[in-house]
Amino acid sequence: DTGVSQNPRHKITKRGQNVTFRCDPISEHNRLYWYRQTLGQGPEFLTYFQNEAQLEKSRLLSDRFSAERPKGSFSTLEIQRTEQGDSAMYLCASSNSGGTTYEQYFGPGTRLTVT
Amino acid sequence: QQPVQSPQAVILREGEDAVINCSSSKALYSVHWYRQKHGEAPVFLMILLKGGEQKGHEKISASFNEKKQQSSLYLTASQLSYSGTYFCGTEIGKLTFGTGTRLTIIP
Repeated sequence: DTGVSQNPRHKITKRGQNVTFRCDPISEHNRLYWYRQTLGQGPEFLTYFQNEAQLEKSRLLSDRFSAERPKGSFSTLEIQRTEQGDSAMYLCASSNSGGTTYEQYFGPGTRLTVT
Repeated sequence: QQPVQSPQAVILREGEDAVINCSSSKALYSVHWYRQKHGEAPVFLMILLKGGEQKGHEKISASFNEKKQQSSLYLTASQLSYSGTYFCGTEIGKLTFGTGTRLTIIP
């Protein structure tokens, strides 16, 4: 078990550019979540997948944001036409959906800075 | 709606005890607790389910009052490593994190 990994760890981009982040969950986990965290706040839910199906999207996820998990393993989060307000830490987490407990394990995050 | 935590911040000397409270305006099925150190990802501590099932950290305990929609995290004999921001989270599918409690342990 190597834990949840995310790439890149840091991304600096200019306003208007597109960016894509990758998350590799714990291998036996079928659920994958994306959260966004700004300084001093708790993580905010963006979207989550069970296997390859996207089950829920937050209203925070504007049309500029899209997430995929094509084979039910890794996931990508793309932000198009980035804005300065998109600057944040983007966290990925994974969990199982079997049983009654769904503790989520978080990756180290990708810190996005939009200039 | 985001769960509300209290206190917002607390400073303890090593060895002292702390209680962190989490209150939700919605009915709770489960409550998760996470600790996040500065610049790091949240780390799972504990989950509490309706009916009293608990799963998590050996040295940290928690309670869950379903009727009051509240949970409390108990940190006893605090250690320097307990410093960080604690979040409760409520779950139906995804986690909705609480407002956070910053805990500082001083020697």
